[in-house]
Amino acid sequence: QVHLVQSGAEVTKPGASLKLPCKASGYTFTSYFIHWVRQAPGQGLEWMGIINPSSGAATYAQGFQGRVTLTRDTSTNTVYLDLNRLTSEDTAVYFCARLAAGTGAFDFWGQGTRVIVSS
Amino acid sequence: DFQMTQSPSSLSASVGDRVTITCRASEGISHYLAWYQQRPGKVPKILIYFASTLQSGVPSRFSGSGSGTDFTLTISSLQPEDVGTYYCQKYNNAPYTFGQGTKLEIK
Repeated sequence: QVHLVQSGAEVTKPGASLKLPCKASGYTFTSYFIHWVRQAPGQGLEWMGIINPSSGAATYAQGFQGRVTLTRDTSTNTVYLDLNRLTSEDTAVYFCARLAAGTGAFDFWGQGTRVIVSS
Repeated sequence: DFQMTQSPSSLSASVGDRVTITCRASEGISHYLAWYQQRPGKVPKILIYFASTLQSGVPSRFSGSGSGTDFTLTISSLQPEDVGTYYCQKYNNAPYTFGQGTKLEIK
């Protein structure tokens, strides 16, 4: 069965960087794009970017341009979200989600990683 | 910036009621619209894609309609387990913008 497994909660300081993993299993890793979505406390869903695990090509939301990088490691079936120059506004739960083939829907989601940015 | 605007932002309805949530795109997106349900404390779950196609396993009381800029999610007979927040999302191309969400409660 399909699983996207994310890491545990992180507490970090303003100005720091974070690198969040999303490990996929149960399907052919390179056949499905992966999206990243975040949700600030009490707020809605915010799309951050998408990566093609086969080619490594990524597209980012305009609001994160220059601060976010998506990469993948095909040897471990893991996608990574790098976000730098953190501020308190980056405090959120970060989700990875698989793009279903042919439908455009996010059919499987990771459990989310809670990130707290605080001095 | 591309906008997806949902209305209402919140609503309260009784079990058995028919509930309708609307989503408007700032530009035409054809039928590339999905609806997600997020129960409290849970991960979002896909309900509908291509504006009106029900995801496998989703109860038939959920339905979607619309194309272009105006879309609707309907719950034909509200059940207690439908409590949560509902989001629309466009996916014709990047950015894959979500609506701001509609919080649904039971009266």
